[in-house]
Parts: sequence; C-alpha cells; structure tokens
Amino acid sequence: AQSVAQPEDQVNVAEGNPLTVKCTYSVSGNPYLFWYVQYPNRGLQFLLKYITGDNLVKGSYGFEAEFNKSQTSFHLKKPSALVSDSALYFCAVRDMLTNQAGTALIFGKGTTLSVSS
Amino acid sequence: SQTIHQWPATLVQPVGSPLSLECTVEGTSNPNLYWYRQAAGRGLQLLFYSVGIGQISSEVPQNLSASRPQDRQFILSSKKLLLSDSGFYLCAWRRGLIGEVNTEAFFGQGTRLTVV
Repeated sequence: AQSVAQPEDQVNVAEGNPLTVKCTYSVSGNPYLFWYVQYPNRGLQFLLKYITGDNLVKGSYGFEAEFNKSQTSFHLKKPSALVSDSALYFCAVRDMLTNQAGTALIFGKGTTLSVSS
Repeated sequence: SQTIHQWPATLVQPVGSPLSLECTVEGTSNPNLYWYRQAAGRGLQLLFYSVGIGQISSEVPQNLSASRPQDRQFILSSKKLLLSDSGFYLCAWRRGLIGEVNTEAFFGQGTRLTVV
C-alpha cells in the first residue's frame, strides 16, 4: 500500500532563513512524488514533482525538493523563506506499479509553514 | 489552457437536506476527475474518482455519492446530509491518457460545507 508521512505538523522559520518541510513515503515500486501548497480556504496549487532523473527537482516560487531513495524521503526546501510562503504544504505520492489511469494521488496530512518577519 | 470550476464556494445546509456540488473542467477532454474531502484544515481524503462518463469508483463507504453525466462534469451528492459531512470539498482533474500516471492533478478552489 502507498502512504506518505509528514512528521511535522508545523514548521516555523524567520524570513530570509532556509526552510525544509519533511516528507517520507512508502510504495511497493518506484514512486512519483509531488508537493502542493494550500492557502486558507483555497484549493491546492501544484509546486513540483519527481518522476525520474535528477534527484533535485526545481519548482514554482523558488521551491525545490530532494529525492532520496535510500531514505525514502522527498523534502521540500527553499534557500530563503518569505512571509508570503506561509501556508499549508502537502506531499503526495503515486506508485509507478499502479499503472491505472484513474489512480489518485495519496496525500500526507500536511505541514503548516509559518514564516515570521 | 485548462481550468477547473467548482461551486458554490461556501454552503450552509441543515441536517437531513440534500446536497449537490458541481465541478467542471474546461480546455481538456476525457480527464480523470476526483473528489477529495479535507477535514479540519488538514489531510485530504479521497472520496471518489472517475475515468470516464458514468464510471465512478468509491474509495470509502459514506453518505455521499458521485456522478459524471458529461465528460467534463463531476457532481458530488447526498440525499440526506449528516453533521459529519461538514468539511472542505475539493474537486481535481488530471490528464486521462493511458500510461500517463506521472501527471500532476489540478484542483478547484473548494467548497466549504457546513451542516447545521
């Protein structure tokens, strides 16, 4: 079975500091991994995804994520946080072995990022 | 470009009343469509997904049902709402081409449902 864990309910950082939001996954085969951001009372916005290739993936708004197969992790990072980055962040996974067109993403519980000025 | 519309944005309904939430996608054909529920501003629970007209898969047994009467229309319904149906409902789509399982999903703006 596929699953995603986001071990931190909340991450607090000061503006200008680097940020990391953690994500670990469990799948039967090789994973497809995604990060989304959600602002209050809004839908989820796609940030980036890992399919194959380079372990460091660059996405929207200066975010990047590092895929680590041995640690089964896909942590979201940003070199310099902005107050406007404050939001709820979701990690999601889909198993490559589940090769059905309808298969949905499985989401973690989310991590609230709070960036202080 | 593709867009997804979801309405209404907010809804307050009494217990026992019916529900109909609508989601439509523009700019693409034969999308995969999904309904998720987000409780207490946290995790997302997949409720239903559809790979084509009239094809609905249910992920969890519940008081809700879904229908896909047209290719780009996905409806979430209930005959009698319960208090526990309150939450934030999100519709999503992604490309439905066979083999493209690595595509991301795109979400609507959500419907905040409060059952009173």
